[in-house]
Amino acid sequence: SAVISQKPSRDICQRGTSLTIQCQVDSQVTMMFWYRQQPGQSLTLIATANQGSEATYESGFVIDKFPISRPNLTFSTLTVSNMSPEDSSIYLCSVEDPRETRRINEQFFGPGTRLTVL
Amino acid sequence: GENVEQHPSTLSVQEGDSAVIKCTYSDSASNYFPWYKQELGKGPQLIIDIRSNVGEKKDQRIAVTLNKTAKHFSLHITETQPEDSAVYFCAASNNQGGKLIFGQGTELSVKP
Repeated sequence: SAVISQKPSRDICQRGTSLTIQCQVDSQVTMMFWYRQQPGQSLTLIATANQGSEATYESGFVIDKFPISRPNLTFSTLTVSNMSPEDSSIYLCSVEDPRETRRINEQFFGPGTRLTVL
Repeated sequence: GENVEQHPSTLSVQEGDSAVIKCTYSDSASNYFPWYKQELGKGPQLIIDIRSNVGEKKDQRIAVTLNKTAKHFSLHITETQPEDSAVYFCAASNNQGGKLIFGQGTELSVKP
C-alpha cells in the first residue's frame, strides 16, 4: 500500500489562528480524503480532495472553515481556519487508489496531525 | 444516510482468549466493510475487509463475517496477544465516492 506522511505531526495553536496540514503520498493516487477524529471519538469525513477542482464537503463542513487544496495526485493540504478549542482533534488524510479493481474502496490512512487549540 | 453501530465500546480479554466485535449498518446498499486497528498515537491501519458477495474472510488469527440479511458484520480475533490491544473501528461503504462511515470504536485490552 501507499506510504502516507503528514506534517506537522502535532501542534498547539492559539484560538483565532489558522493551521495548514500537509499530506504527501509516495505514489500517485486517484482519491484523497480528509477526516477528523475528535478526542476519544470515531472518524468523520470532512471532504474529498479532488485533483484540479474544488473539494467535495460533507454535511456540516464548509470550505471557508476547512479550505482544501490538491494540486497533484500525490499531495493535498487541509487548512483549519479561525480555530477555536472545539477544533482540537486529530486530522487524518487517507487515500484510495481504485485503479486496481479488486482494491476498490480500500482506504489507507496517514499517521494523523494532533491539533490542540488553546 | 448510512449509520453504523459498533459494540461493545470496551472489551477486556485474557491473553489466548478470543475477542468478538460486532457492527450493524442501516443502508442495504452498503457493499464494502473494512476493519481498522488504531494504536495510540497512530493512524488507523486496515487489517481486514469483506465485500458483500462474500460471507466470511479469514487472515491468520483474524476473521470477519457478514450477514447481509441482518445487516451486521463481526470481527473475530483468536488467540489474542497483548499486542492486539488497540481501538478497533468497523466501517461501511456503498461505493459512492469512496465515503466510509465508521462505527464508534471498541477499545480492546488483552491482559497477559
